[in-house]
Amino acid sequence: AQTVTQSQPEMSVQEAETVTLSCTYDTSESDYYLFWYKQPPSRQMILVIRQEAYKQQNATENRFSVNFQKAAKSFSLKISDSQLGDAAMYFCAYMSSNFGNEKLTFGTGTRLTIIP
Amino acid sequence: DTGVSQNPRHKITKRGQNVTFRCDPISEHNRLYWYRQTLGQGPEFLTYFQNEAQLEKSRLLSDRFSAERPKGSFSTLEIQRTEQGDSAMYLCASTRPPDSYEQYFGPGTRLTVT
Repeated sequence: AQTVTQSQPEMSVQEAETVTLSCTYDTSESDYYLFWYKQPPSRQMILVIRQEAYKQQNATENRFSVNFQKAAKSFSLKISDSQLGDAAMYFCAYMSSNFGNEKLTFGTGTRLTIIP
Repeated sequence: DTGVSQNPRHKITKRGQNVTFRCDPISEHNRLYWYRQTLGQGPEFLTYFQNEAQLEKSRLLSDRFSAERPKGSFSTLEIQRTEQGDSAMYLCASTRPPDSYEQYFGPGTRLTVT
């Protein structure tokens, strides 16, 4: 079974600064997807960024980028120019590409606080 | 496109009662997922459907839980003989492979069992 580990329960960053959230995962599969989801307080889960394992290039979405290290099974999220609206729980998630096993396995989350 | 909707948003029930939740996926999304999230944890997979077929069920889904997706549109999740340990947020998500594997989540149904 796949597992996802987020070792930072809480992180804080000054507004406009950069912060990196860590995620490691364990799998024996070679083809899979990785995601970062954001869950603001009392609001629904929103996809931040995705990465296909077969792609070597790191995904980027505006101020959000990932550092995907397949051999190390590491998938960190970098948020640049942090904004107050970035405050939320961030979950790293893994999904197999095998048919019938395409469910998300989440980490325990990192609570990100933005300091004005 | 109004997104994934879930009803009710909140449900308070007494232990031993049955409850049913509904999820309406994004239109034309053929795949629908149910997850459970307890306080301070990440969501845990319960089950998922492709159209009306239930493809996988987690071991978390005891025989008190049943999910259906008749006609491949909306889905219901029923919990029979609720227990206090069932208190959680129940999340629904939908997607449309192979066009996209990104799961879009609904706002959830928060269940409190007293």
